[in-house]
Amino acid sequence: ETGVTQTPRHLVMGMTNKKSLKCEQHLGHNAMYWYKQSAKKPLELMFVYSLEERVENNSVPSRFSPECPNSSHLFLHLHTLQPEDSALYLCASSQDRQGSSGTQYFGPGTRLLVL
Amino acid sequence: AQSVTQPDIHITVSEGASLELRCNYSYGATPYLFWYVQSPGQGLQLLLKYFSGDTLVQGIKGFEAEFKRSQSSFNLRKPSVHWSDAAEYFCAVVASSNTGKLIFGQGTTLQVKP
Repeated sequence: ETGVTQTPRHLVMGMTNKKSLKCEQHLGHNAMYWYKQSAKKPLELMFVYSLEERVENNSVPSRFSPECPNSSHLFLHLHTLQPEDSALYLCASSQDRQGSSGTQYFGPGTRLLVL
Repeated sequence: AQSVTQPDIHITVSEGASLELRCNYSYGATPYLFWYVQSPGQGLQLLLKYFSGDTLVQGIKGFEAEFKRSQSSFNLRKPSVHWSDAAEYFCAVVASSNTGKLIFGQGTTLQVKP
């Protein structure tokens, strides 16, 4: 595997389910990001992790819970979601967070549908 | 507050024609700017970036962009469009050098006519 991978690619869940999205980067980067891409809206940053420490929480509801066990893996745990949470969830990574090293590389995304 | 505006939601060009996608940003200091492309059902692929130096930057797939501070613009250009360029294009600016937070424009959908 190369670059940034995300699993699953597609997910359908009910509002009472609990599921997790997984992201893995094979680039040796130190920072990882979760973005939400909804129809008709710009991409929104959700969380930023740097060296496994959360450095940004962009006012995301608590039904989204991120986890970064090491610098290569990032999870997004989902519980009691709402239909408006249906979106494409994109993971990205960068070498660092500043300057040219802050260039972000994206995974293919997980398409989430909440019923 | 920082912002990015892509005035054109949808653009259609003929294959072989030239292309220019507009991007305007609002940022107090020297911006770090990016263009990404997204094909249907895919993630974002980096086309090019500007941090400093030469204001005309070259990217992948024959794309280039020019940073114009006086106009707060970072327009993307390609001299001859190929059918495979049909996709959605996003301009982005770094909003926080501390967290690396990116702010994206709404995106421009490019359709290529044969």
